[in-house]
Amino acid sequence: AQSVSQHNHHVILSEAASLELGCNYSYGGTVNLFWYVQYPGQHLQLLLKYFSGDPLVKGIKGFEAEFIKSKFSFNLRKPSVQWSDTAEYFCAVISDNYGQNFVFGPGTRLSVLP
Amino acid sequence: NAGVTQTPKFQVLKTGQSMTLQCAQDMNHNSMYWYRQDPGMGLRLIYYSASEGTTDKGEVPNGYNVSRLNKREFSLRLESAAPSQTSVYFCASRPGGLAAFSTYNEQFFGPGTRLTVL
Repeated sequence: AQSVSQHNHHVILSEAASLELGCNYSYGGTVNLFWYVQYPGQHLQLLLKYFSGDPLVKGIKGFEAEFIKSKFSFNLRKPSVQWSDTAEYFCAVISDNYGQNFVFGPGTRLSVLP
Repeated sequence: NAGVTQTPKFQVLKTGQSMTLQCAQDMNHNSMYWYRQDPGMGLRLIYYSASEGTTDKGEVPNGYNVSRLNKREFSLRLESAAPSQTSVYFCASRPGGLAAFSTYNEQFFGPGTRLTVL
């Protein structure tokens, strides 16, 4: 069955540290990939998305992600995190092989220490 | 332009009670979704409506019913609430309709309803 996995349940970093959150999916076919962020007490907001073209996509707030098709991965990166990046991050995938519904990963909680 | 709105924001029910969660979007989107969010499990799809007049089950539909009242509104009903339905419920919408594997795939989320069933 299709699934999305995120490597880390909880990541704790100090401010200015670099961030990489892993995301892998188990779909074939053409995929669209997303990273959403959920700040404490808020709803999900789109960070960035990949549809086609350049596999390195840039999103809001200095985040970027790289789609590596051969590895079925879409890892999220940020060179230098801030305390305000403390949030939960969700990877999501939609595939043309499996209808039109998004499948979300379980989420990674990021805590940035001031 | 309010985006996706949900009511109520918080609700406490007793086991066996019923209630309806309301969702509306003002972006003229075709597709609407209901998810539940539980710790460590991400978002799981309860029901969705690919277009006005259609609804389909998602991953965890048991204990829920939905109504796509019109293009704007998509409600979720719990007929007899159970403690296992304690969760945060999110409504979402996206532009694409039936043939929508395209750049219209982004989902927009509402603020959520925190439901506790005692």
